[in-house]
Amino acid sequence: GQQLNQSPQSMFIQEGEDVSMNCTSSSIFNTWLWYKQDPGEGPVLLIALYKAGELTSNGRLTAQFGITRKDSFLNISASIPSDVGIYFCAGRNSNYQLIWGAGTKLIIKP
Amino acid sequence: SAVISQKPSRDICQRGTSLTIQCQVDSQVTMMFWYRQQPGQSLTLIATANQGSEATYESGFVIDKFPISRPNLTFSTLTVSNMSPEDSSIYLCSVEPTSGGVRSPAQYFGPGTRLTVL
Repeated sequence: GQQLNQSPQSMFIQEGEDVSMNCTSSSIFNTWLWYKQDPGEGPVLLIALYKAGELTSNGRLTAQFGITRKDSFLNISASIPSDVGIYFCAGRNSNYQLIWGAGTKLIIKP
Repeated sequence: SAVISQKPSRDICQRGTSLTIQCQVDSQVTMMFWYRQQPGQSLTLIATANQGSEATYESGFVIDKFPISRPNLTFSTLTVSNMSPEDSSIYLCSVEPTSGGVRSPAQYFGPGTRLTVL
């Protein structure tokens, strides 16, 4: 079946640093979604992308829908302690199935 | 979006028993989904539960093990039957609201039920 390759698997960063993560696939997607999951909680939608090339921001978060429709990235600027968590990408294909990445765990060094 | 609650939030169960997880939504939705998230892993879809029809199960999941009810447009239950330690996971329900008859491209999740089977 379709797969999403999400990287990196985990990131150790200093507070204040910028963060970048991405998802790639050999398949085309019609929608890209980025979620964050805090411990003990369900995933929360951060950003939804609907068109190739679309660049969307939500506060310090910026995400882009790749022009080939096979990839997407999420950037977090000036990270703060509450950014810690697991970030998931998800792509919706032409069959309207939602395919999930494996997640990127963000850890802030003390 | 939608506000979704799940009960219980967590439970510890004995091998061989069953647990029913409830999912309540604050608005009427047609499309509801049940996921399993094993420790440190991504989300795996168990089944799609649409009101008015039988649940549709993904490969590797069967109705005898994970029976689902969907009695109305705001509620669903997932039962984990004859549990074993391998069933220890977070179970999540999600919804896709519709607006003007158009299905949302995003899913919205409940807080999850953390199940530990001894």
